[in-house]
Amino acid sequence: AQSVSQHNHHVILSEAASLELGCNYSYGGTVNLFWYVQYPGQHLQLLLKYFSGDPLVKGIKGFEAEFIKSKFSFNLRKPSVQWSDTAEYFCAVRTRNNDMRFGAGTRLTVKP
Amino acid sequence: EAQVTQNPRYLITVTGKKLTVTCSQNMNHEYMSWYRQDPGLGLRQIYYSMNVEVTDKGDVPEGYKVSRKEKRNFPLILESPSPNQTSLYFCASSRRLAGSETQYFGPGTRLLVL
Repeated sequence: AQSVSQHNHHVILSEAASLELGCNYSYGGTVNLFWYVQYPGQHLQLLLKYFSGDPLVKGIKGFEAEFIKSKFSFNLRKPSVQWSDTAEYFCAVRTRNNDMRFGAGTRLTVKP
Repeated sequence: EAQVTQNPRYLITVTGKKLTVTCSQNMNHEYMSWYRQDPGLGLRQIYYSMNVEVTDKGDVPEGYKVSRKEKRNFPLILESPSPNQTSLYFCASSRRLAGSETQYFGPGTRLLVL
Protein backbone atom coordinates (compact mmCIF):
# COMPACT_ATOMS: atom_id res chain seq x y z
CA ALA A 1 0.00 0.00 0.00
CA GLN A 2 1.07 3.52 -0.66
CA SER A 3 2.70 5.22 2.30
CA VAL A 4 4.41 8.45 3.23
CA SER A 5 7.32 8.49 5.68
CA GLN A 6 8.57 11.48 7.57
CA HIS A 7 11.83 10.53 9.17
CA ASN A 8 11.93 12.94 12.04
CA HIS A 9 9.21 13.01 14.66
CA HIS A 10 10.57 15.98 16.56
CA VAL A 11 13.24 18.44 15.48
CA ILE A 12 14.64 21.09 17.79
CA LEU A 13 16.63 23.97 16.33
CA SER A 14 17.91 27.33 17.41
CA GLU A 15 16.84 30.45 15.54
CA ALA A 16 18.80 31.07 12.34
CA ALA A 17 19.67 27.40 11.96
CA SER A 18 18.94 25.70 8.66
CA LEU A 19 16.12 23.22 8.39
CA GLU A 20 15.62 20.11 6.33
CA LEU A 21 12.71 17.77 6.94
CA GLY A 22 12.69 14.48 5.11
CA CYS A 23 9.75 12.96 3.28
CA ASN A 24 9.70 9.74 1.28
CA TYR A 25 6.79 8.02 -0.37
CA SER A 26 6.27 4.57 -1.77
CA TYR A 27 3.91 5.13 -4.70
CA GLY A 28 5.45 4.46 -8.11
CA GLY A 29 3.11 6.34 -10.42
CA THR A 30 2.53 10.00 -11.08
CA VAL A 31 1.95 11.93 -7.89
CA ASN A 32 1.28 15.41 -6.64
CA LEU A 33 3.31 16.35 -3.56
CA PHE A 34 2.48 18.74 -0.77
CA TRP A 35 3.87 20.18 2.43
CA TYR A 36 1.54 21.62 5.04
CA VAL A 37 2.13 23.49 8.28
CA GLN A 38 -0.08 23.34 11.33
CA TYR A 39 0.55 25.95 14.01
CA PRO A 40 -0.53 25.01 17.54
CA GLY A 41 -4.30 24.88 17.80
CA GLN A 42 -4.84 25.82 14.18
CA HIS A 43 -5.83 24.14 10.96
CA LEU A 44 -3.50 23.10 8.19
CA GLN A 45 -2.09 25.58 5.73
CA LEU A 46 -0.54 24.68 2.42
CA LEU A 47 3.15 25.62 2.36
CA LEU A 48 4.00 24.46 -1.14
CA LYS A 49 3.17 21.88 -3.76
CA TYR A 50 4.74 20.08 -6.66
CA PHE A 51 2.80 18.95 -9.70
CA SER A 52 5.34 18.94 -12.52
CA GLY A 53 8.21 20.91 -14.00
CA ASP A 54 11.06 22.38 -11.97
CA PRO A 55 11.70 19.93 -9.12
CA LEU A 56 12.71 22.76 -6.81
CA VAL A 57 9.57 24.52 -5.64
CA LYS A 58 9.30 27.59 -3.51
CA GLY A 59 6.47 28.17 -1.10
CA ILE A 60 5.32 30.68 1.41
CA LYS A 61 7.27 31.91 4.44
CA GLY A 62 10.65 31.20 2.81
CA PHE A 63 10.21 27.44 2.54
CA GLU A 64 11.25 25.38 -0.44
CA ALA A 65 11.21 21.70 -1.31
CA GLU A 66 13.02 19.52 -3.79
CA PHE A 67 11.44 16.60 -5.59
CA ILE A 68 13.92 13.84 -6.35
CA LYS A 69 12.05 11.28 -8.41
CA SER A 70 14.75 8.61 -8.25
CA LYS A 71 14.67 8.72 -4.46
CA PHE A 72 10.90 9.11 -4.12
CA SER A 73 11.66 12.07 -1.88
CA PHE A 74 10.27 15.54 -1.36
CA ASN A 75 12.31 17.18 1.40
CA LEU A 76 11.37 20.53 2.89
CA ARG A 77 14.04 23.14 3.52
CA LYS A 78 14.44 26.59 4.98
CA PRO A 79 17.83 28.32 5.18
CA SER A 80 17.18 30.15 8.45
CA VAL A 81 14.34 29.28 10.80
CA GLN A 82 12.57 31.67 13.12
CA TRP A 83 10.84 31.11 16.42
CA SER A 84 7.53 31.63 14.61
CA ASP A 85 8.22 28.50 12.51
CA THR A 86 7.50 26.35 15.55
CA ALA A 87 4.72 24.10 14.31
CA GLU A 88 3.98 20.65 13.00
CA TYR A 89 4.79 19.91 9.38
CA PHE A 90 3.09 17.33 7.23
CA CYS A 91 4.13 15.88 3.91
CA ALA A 92 1.37 14.50 1.67
CA VAL A 93 1.11 12.60 -1.58
CA ARG A 94 -1.86 12.49 -3.92
CA THR A 95 -2.18 9.92 -6.66
CA ARG A 96 -4.06 10.16 -9.93
CA ASN A 97 -7.22 8.70 -8.41
CA ASN A 98 -7.27 11.41 -5.74
CA ASP A 99 -6.06 9.12 -3.01
CA MET A 100 -4.41 11.49 -0.51
CA ARG A 101 -1.92 10.14 2.02
CA PHE A 102 -0.21 12.11 4.74
CA GLY A 103 2.92 11.44 6.71
CA ALA A 104 2.71 11.22 10.49
CA GLY A 105 4.11 14.72 10.83
CA THR A 106 7.28 16.32 12.17
CA ARG A 107 7.09 18.62 15.14
CA LEU A 108 9.52 21.52 14.84
CA THR A 109 10.53 23.48 17.90
CA VAL A 110 12.62 26.58 17.33
CA LYS A 111 14.36 27.95 20.39
CA PRO A 112 14.67 31.75 20.51
CA GLU B 1 -13.48 36.31 3.06
CA ALA B 2 -12.66 32.89 1.61
CA GLN B 3 -13.21 30.22 4.20
CA VAL B 4 -14.24 26.71 5.10
CA THR B 5 -16.51 26.49 8.12
CA GLN B 6 -17.25 23.46 10.25
CA ASN B 7 -19.91 22.93 12.90
CA PRO B 8 -19.81 22.05 15.63
CA ARG B 9 -16.24 22.79 16.65
CA TYR B 10 -16.44 20.56 19.71
CA LEU B 11 -18.77 17.67 20.35
CA ILE B 12 -19.11 15.09 23.10
CA THR B 13 -21.52 12.28 22.39
CA VAL B 14 -22.27 8.69 23.35
CA THR B 15 -21.81 5.49 21.44
CA GLY B 16 -24.53 4.87 18.87
CA LYS B 17 -26.06 8.34 18.79
CA LYS B 18 -26.12 9.54 15.19
CA LEU B 19 -24.39 12.82 14.51
CA THR B 20 -23.58 15.10 11.60
CA VAL B 21 -20.66 17.46 11.25
CA THR B 22 -21.34 20.15 8.69
CA CYS B 23 -18.80 21.64 6.33
CA SER B 24 -19.41 24.61 4.09
CA GLN B 25 -17.18 26.58 1.73
CA ASN B 26 -17.85 29.91 0.05
CA MET B 27 -15.36 29.69 -2.81
CA ASN B 28 -17.34 27.58 -5.27
CA HIS B 29 -14.64 24.90 -5.10
CA GLU B 30 -15.27 21.61 -6.86
CA TYR B 31 -13.23 19.38 -4.58
CA MET B 32 -14.01 18.75 -0.93
CA SER B 33 -12.57 16.23 1.49
CA TRP B 34 -12.85 14.99 5.04
CA TYR B 35 -9.88 13.94 7.14
CA ARG B 36 -9.33 12.72 10.64
CA GLN B 37 -6.19 13.56 12.56
CA ASP B 38 -4.88 11.27 15.26
CA PRO B 39 -1.62 11.58 17.22
CA GLY B 40 1.26 9.82 15.50
CA LEU B 41 -0.80 9.04 12.41
CA GLY B 42 -1.03 12.39 10.70
CA LEU B 43 -4.17 12.99 8.68
CA ARG B 44 -6.11 10.23 7.01
CA GLN B 45 -8.60 10.86 4.27
CA ILE B 46 -12.12 9.63 5.02
CA TYR B 47 -14.07 10.66 1.93
CA TYR B 48 -13.67 13.09 -0.88
CA SER B 49 -15.91 14.64 -3.48
CA MET B 50 -14.99 15.90 -6.92
CA ASN B 51 -18.26 17.71 -7.48
CA VAL B 52 -21.96 17.63 -6.68
CA GLU B 53 -23.24 14.07 -6.34
CA VAL B 54 -19.72 12.68 -6.90
CA THR B 55 -18.13 11.16 -3.81
CA ASP B 56 -15.57 8.45 -3.21
CA LYS B 57 -13.96 6.63 -0.32
CA GLY B 58 -10.63 7.67 1.06
CA ASP B 59 -8.28 5.70 3.23
CA VAL B 60 -10.55 5.19 6.27
CA PRO B 61 -14.24 5.40 5.24
CA GLU B 62 -15.62 2.72 7.58
CA GLY B 63 -18.26 4.09 9.93
CA TYR B 64 -18.74 7.32 7.99
CA LYS B 65 -21.08 8.60 5.31
CA VAL B 66 -21.03 11.78 3.27
CA SER B 67 -23.26 13.54 0.80
CA ARG B 68 -22.74 16.33 -1.71
CA LYS B 69 -26.13 17.65 -2.72
CA GLU B 70 -24.88 21.21 -3.13
CA LYS B 71 -21.50 22.44 -4.19
CA ARG B 72 -20.87 24.41 -1.03
CA ASN B 73 -21.78 21.74 1.55
CA PHE B 74 -20.20 18.42 2.38
CA PRO B 75 -21.55 17.00 5.65
CA LEU B 76 -19.91 14.09 7.44
CA ILE B 77 -22.36 11.65 9.01
CA LEU B 78 -21.61 9.14 11.74
CA GLU B 79 -24.65 6.85 11.82
CA SER B 80 -23.55 4.97 14.93
CA PRO B 81 -20.46 6.56 16.46
CA SER B 82 -18.01 4.42 18.39
CA PRO B 83 -15.17 5.41 20.74
CA ASN B 84 -12.56 4.69 18.04
CA GLN B 85 -14.03 7.59 16.08
CA THR B 86 -12.88 9.99 18.78
CA SER B 87 -10.63 12.27 16.79
CA LEU B 88 -10.01 15.70 15.31
CA TYR B 89 -11.80 16.11 12.01
CA PHE B 90 -10.92 18.53 9.23
CA CYS B 91 -12.85 19.43 6.14
CA ALA B 92 -11.02 20.87 3.15
CA SER B 93 -11.93 22.33 -0.21
CA SER B 94 -9.86 23.01 -3.28
CA ARG B 95 -9.92 24.25 -6.83
CA ARG B 96 -7.59 22.64 -9.31
CA LEU B 97 -6.52 24.34 -12.47
CA ALA B 98 -3.81 23.21 -14.86
CA GLY B 99 -0.62 23.09 -12.81
CA SER B 100 -2.12 24.99 -9.91
CA GLU B 101 -4.30 24.41 -6.91
CA THR B 102 -5.86 26.45 -4.15
CA GLN B 103 -6.68 24.68 -0.92
CA TYR B 104 -8.39 25.67 2.28
CA PHE B 105 -8.89 23.70 5.46
CA GLY B 106 -11.60 24.22 7.99
CA PRO B 107 -10.83 24.95 11.65
CA GLY B 108 -11.46 21.39 12.78
CA THR B 109 -14.08 19.56 14.85
CA ARG B 110 -12.93 17.80 17.97
CA LEU B 111 -15.17 14.79 18.62
CA LEU B 112 -15.26 12.67 21.75
CA VAL B 113 -17.36 9.51 21.68
CA LEU B 114 -18.00 8.01 25.12
